[in-house]
Amino acid sequence: EDQVTQSPEALRLQEGESSSLNCSYTVSGLRGLFWYRQDPGKGPEFLFTLYSAGEEKEKERLKATLTKKESFLHITAPKPEDSATYLCAVPSNAGGTSYGKLTFGQGTILTVHP
Amino acid sequence: NAGVTQTPKFQVLKTGQSMTLQCAQDMNHNSMYWYRQDPGMGLRLIYYSASEGTTDKGEVPNGYNVSRLNKREFSLRLESAAPSQTSVYFCASSEGKQPQHFGDGTRLSIL
Repeated sequence: EDQVTQSPEALRLQEGESSSLNCSYTVSGLRGLFWYRQDPGKGPEFLFTLYSAGEEKEKERLKATLTKKESFLHITAPKPEDSATYLCAVPSNAGGTSYGKLTFGQGTILTVHP
Repeated sequence: NAGVTQTPKFQVLKTGQSMTLQCAQDMNHNSMYWYRQDPGMGLRLIYYSASEGTTDKGEVPNGYNVSRLNKREFSLRLESAAPSQTSVYFCASSEGKQPQHFGDGTRLSIL
């Protein structure tokens, strides 16, 4: 059974204070890993897809990296508008041309204070 | 650019009542999904539809039924609502190996 664990559950930063969020996974053959951002009262919004160990992707102050056991979301010099819940997810090994089901972690609630 | 639209946004039910949550997507995606999100539990898959005409159970299907009405629409039905079904429900859609796109959810309270 696929498992995804995120840490910490909550993270409070000062504006400009860089940090990292962790996503550990246990899957039988990783087919990709997704990062999403979720604002209060909204649905998750896609950020990144990582496919293989060593891969990195960046978007503004965010950089996602992937190893064989975990992924990190690095936040450089965060701003208050980066405050949100960050979710990671892995697809099932359903095969075929689609990813099928996603297994999500519980999320990390990030709060950035001015 | 509507993406995934869910109705209603909020609903309060009494125990034993039934209701249907509606979801429609305008991105011509083949796959659609229903999740529930509870505090500390993350998003859990209830049912999904890989393509029009097919549906499959997810992690927490008990107490729910679904209908893939056509390629655009995927509904979730609670036949006899229970307080344990109080949650935020999200619909999503995707195509192939592209990421899932989510609606903004239905907040459901069952008294």
